[in-house]
Amino acid sequence: DAKTTQPTSMDCAEGRAANLPCNHSTISGNEYVYWYRQIHSQGPQYIIHGLKNNETNEMASLIITEDRKSSTLILPHATLRDTAVYYCIVRTGTNTDKLIFGTGTRLQVFP
Amino acid sequence: GAGVSQSPRYKVAKRGQDVALRCDPISGHVSLFWYQQALGQGPEFLTYFQNEAQLDKSGLPSDRFFAERPEGSVSTLKIQRTQQEDSAVYLCASSGRDRGTFGNQPQHFGDGTRLSIL
Repeated sequence: DAKTTQPTSMDCAEGRAANLPCNHSTISGNEYVYWYRQIHSQGPQYIIHGLKNNETNEMASLIITEDRKSSTLILPHATLRDTAVYYCIVRTGTNTDKLIFGTGTRLQVFP
Repeated sequence: GAGVSQSPRYKVAKRGQDVALRCDPISGHVSLFWYQQALGQGPEFLTYFQNEAQLDKSGLPSDRFFAERPEGSVSTLKIQRTQQEDSAVYLCASSGRDRGTFGNQPQHFGDGTRLSIL
């Protein structure tokens, strides 16, 4: 079973920031928070991951609470192309660890 | 190409036929994963290879499913005697060199093979 809880769906206006929450209250000390997204008819796309510090890359920012029980993915200026299902996943730091997807958040960006 | 490549993109087969799905991982990637994604659901893990060794096949739904990666690069997922419930998108992902707990590298996915069993 997935170890994360996400809202089923969210809307965001184009150009505004999209803030996608994720609860992972049972996360272990050696587990990272990963975010992927899946655009229709494509494979999941890696976005960002973090352990306990906030992270930023060219796609998004990841804010992890101090107790690590929740996190927020931030798309600073959403575009129509960001419409997708966003998955929050926790996994250990070894490359042998499979990804366990939940149902994700369906983000709809509207004009 | 630079990404994970899967073929065919679409496959239609009659119930009872055998099918073979191919995955070309990113060059040099050690780890290779197969996932199955039913309509409206998130991907579910099937099996994992490290180089040519199949280290985890706990997600394979039945003994009709078989995967191989004989030379540690290209992988094939084979489904024998296909059933209608096998209809799904089959996704392949690869990731780089395993460095134990310091090798935290993300998995990169192909666009999958959509399998339809009639």
